[in-house]
Amino acid sequence: GQNIDQPTEMTATEGAIVQINCTYQTSGFNGLFWYQQHAGEAPTFLSYNVLDGLEEKGRFSSFLSRSKGYSYLLLKELQMKDSASYLCAALDSNYQLIWGAGTKLIIKP
Amino acid sequence: IAGITQAPTSQILAAGRRMTLRCTQDMRHNAMYWYRQDLGLGLRLIHYSNTAGTTGKGEVPDGYSVSRANTDDFPLTLASAVPSQTSVYFCASSDSEREQFFGPGTRLTVL
Repeated sequence: GQNIDQPTEMTATEGAIVQINCTYQTSGFNGLFWYQQHAGEAPTFLSYNVLDGLEEKGRFSSFLSRSKGYSYLLLKELQMKDSASYLCAALDSNYQLIWGAGTKLIIKP
Repeated sequence: IAGITQAPTSQILAAGRRMTLRCTQDMRHNAMYWYRQDLGLGLRLIHYSNTAGTTGKGEVPDGYSVSRANTDDFPLTLASAVPSQTSVYFCASSDSEREQFFGPGTRLTVL
């Protein structure tokens, strides 16, 4: 079957760095997405990786290893507004997104 | 309109009633999607449409139907609502296999 695993909840301190891991098992693979979702709001796109390696976009970076079925989202210089759920999703061979349950990130002052 | 709109924002519905959730996008995206989001389960695809005039079933299609008469609109209908359909419903669209844009969601409670 198809499956996405990511931690349910993480806590970090304002100004610090946090890494949110995601492992995936899909029938075929056409890319890995990270979305941010604040409580009561819609998901918004953060990053897309289809090749191995690190993609950096400001304070956020995303890494992909296709051979290991593994990705992580790295958030630097954490701010209180980064408190949100972070959703990992893999695009399968039918170009359908398979979603993880999300990681709730709590930022403490 | 800018992006994707959904209506209603929230609804309380008696079991057995028929309900249509509306979704409209103004980005001229070919593909549109309906998801439900339940606590601890993440987003689950209900139905999708790759282009106007075509629809397909997702992971959890039972009890739901969709239509795609034109590019902009993608309504989701619950023919006879049941309490297990209580959820937050998100409509999304995309113009490629890349980023999906989400509407603000409809919070539905079936009693």
